[in-house]
Amino acid sequence: QLPLQESGPGLVKPSETLSLTCTVSSDSISNTFYYWGWIRQPPGKGLEWIGSIYYSGSTYSNPSLKSRVTISVDTSKHQFSLKLSSVSAADTAVYYCARHPINYESGGYPSTFDYWGQGILVTVSS
Amino acid sequence: DIQMTQSPSTLSASVGDRVTITCRASQSISTWLAWYQQKPGKAPNLLIYKASSLESGVPSRFSGSGSGTEFTLTISSLQSDDFATYYCQQYNSYSTFGQGTKLEIK
Repeated sequence: QLPLQESGPGLVKPSETLSLTCTVSSDSISNTFYYWGWIRQPPGKGLEWIGSIYYSGSTYSNPSLKSRVTISVDTSKHQFSLKLSSVSAADTAVYYCARHPINYESGGYPSTFDYWGQGILVTVSS
Repeated sequence: DIQMTQSPSTLSASVGDRVTITCRASQSISTWLAWYQQKPGKAPNLLIYKASSLESGVPSRFSGSGSGTEFTLTISSLQSDDFATYYCQQYNSYSTFGQGTKLEIK
């Protein structure tokens, strides 16, 4: 198993910025074979990919969220982070971090999510 | 954007049944499709990648097939541990999940 652990506030006010960190308990965050991603799941609903980052800082984001998403990485701390700005109640969800292997058969883009954190519920409410 | 549509949304079945879940893509994604199982309160678990490749440690009663725009996940003989929600995910262009199929006990 490759433990990943999300951390951050469980309550964020509307219009503010949601900030979460994922800690990877090994130095694999610098491994050239993986991106590291964020996925969310509103209560009782399906999964939505938010975005992913490579150890070099290269990022991919969901076009529908891109304008509000910032993902960063700190390899020295084995962490990557998510910031989602201007949140509303629609952003209430369980947020997961996950390992995102690179698909070298198809252009070197991220592929599946093979290891996941346990998830953290973030509620947007005043 | 590539949209993924799963059917059915809910499936009722019994232990020992053979069940099939379908996932359709809005455009061709070759075989860049994965399947996940999610149980309540838990993170999803990767079952199948590249449409038909079984992830290590996943029981052989799970299988996947398809290419292009139509894909299936089959469970050959349902076990009690298999009652969960299943999601498909395309990774041909960015990443999109289907809306999920809840597999319930009949």
